[in-house]
Amino acid sequence: GDSVTQMEGPVTLSEEAFLTINCTYTATGYPSLFWYVQYPGEGLQLLLKATKADDKGSNKGFEATYRKETTSFHLEKGSVQVSDSAVYFCALSEDSSYKLIFGSGTRLLVRP
Amino acid sequence: KAGVTQTPRYLIKTRGQQVTLSCSPISGHRSVSWYQQTPGQGLQFLFEYFSETQRNKGNFPGRFSGRQFSNSRSEMNVSTLELGDSALYLCASSLASGYLTEAFFGQGTRLTVV
Repeated sequence: GDSVTQMEGPVTLSEEAFLTINCTYTATGYPSLFWYVQYPGEGLQLLLKATKADDKGSNKGFEATYRKETTSFHLEKGSVQVSDSAVYFCALSEDSSYKLIFGSGTRLLVRP
Repeated sequence: KAGVTQTPRYLIKTRGQQVTLSCSPISGHRSVSWYQQTPGQGLQFLFEYFSETQRNKGNFPGRFSGRQFSNSRSEMNVSTLELGDSALYLCASSLASGYLTEAFFGQGTRLTVV
């Protein structure tokens, strides 16, 4: 079945450092790909998405490119802030499945 | 506009009891889905409703059920609670009819079973 694999956390960075969180997926069709973020005590917020190969999703300085050849959707940010500290989830959705399949999440800690 | 609203935010129940959680989607959204989040299993899909019809169901026992009303509000019910049902239950709504484009999540209901 479909699945999403994320790098283990926590990832600890200093403020203004470069961030990469790896995400790879397995899918039978051509899924849409998402990154969600969860702040402490909160639900999930959509960070960015890509619906087809080579699409780049971007939001708030975060970017991810849908790479079909490597089945990856890695999250990047050039300069992280303390306020970016949260748990990040990579997810996919296949057409007509009406559901999201999530990775295990990666906790990011950004130190001043 | 108002986001996805889940009530209650926190709940403590005893083993063997049943519980009902409520979700009000964003106005105009007709798809509502439910997820269970636990430290051990992560985020797992429970079920999805669109126009009062369940379109997909996750791999959970029959103790977990849900429904959607004509105003798109949804409830999920867990009967005969077990300790392992302790989790954060998240509801998400979307405009989706044919496929999922973007899901908006509520803050969740934290259920503790003692």
